[in-house]
Amino acid sequence: AAGVIQSPRHLIKEKRETATLKCYPIPRHDTVYWYQQGPGQDPQFLISFYEKMQSDKGSIPDRFSAQQFSDYHSELNMSSLELGDSALYFCASSLKGSMNTGELFFGEGSRLTVL
Amino acid sequence: QQPVQSPQAVILREGEDAVINCSSSKALYSVHWYRQKHGEAPVFLMILLKGGEQKGHDKISASFNEKKQQSSLYLTASQLSYSGTYFCGTDYNTDKLIFGTGTRLQVFP
Repeated sequence: AAGVIQSPRHLIKEKRETATLKCYPIPRHDTVYWYQQGPGQDPQFLISFYEKMQSDKGSIPDRFSAQQFSDYHSELNMSSLELGDSALYFCASSLKGSMNTGELFFGEGSRLTVL
Repeated sequence: QQPVQSPQAVILREGEDAVINCSSSKALYSVHWYRQKHGEAPVFLMILLKGGEQKGHDKISASFNEKKQQSSLYLTASQLSYSGTYFCGTDYNTDKLIFGTGTRLQVFP
């Protein structure tokens, strides 16, 4: 079965550079979530999209932006990168309303290292 | 505010049991449980939707006490494959899943 696809899997950037992470949800899933997980930390919710519209926002820095495209894939854009942005970034997808009926399906994550 | 889990870490021998607790200062409408192995994605274990609900599969089960705003995850006869970090999560009736503080479980032979 198709899973959530994230790219790139690994990314190394310098401070103040820009990075873009991509997420391809499971087919027919209409909701995408982005999470940031630092070493030894729990995943922190960044932002979510339902049917290409932002549906909820968490602790996402102003330097970050995201969108969901017509084919339901999503991109997380991070600018003016800081050392503290180094983390594992997860994308998850689900069907709307599945917060109470099912699970979030997570991709394998994109590991960002900022030097 | 995120749910708080206890204990923070558990060390077990194969075959031993463990209980992981998840507590919230706000009303819980549902509780999710996930397991995450190091460097991998969180994997869904189960969701509890109603107070008093209990669920389980294999030797992992959970209960949800809505009034106490708590949930517990029970692992019986632990196996090496149970090692990982366990997270509870809740949506606080929104469209986002907020993870708990996590419990690291290590099972040794």
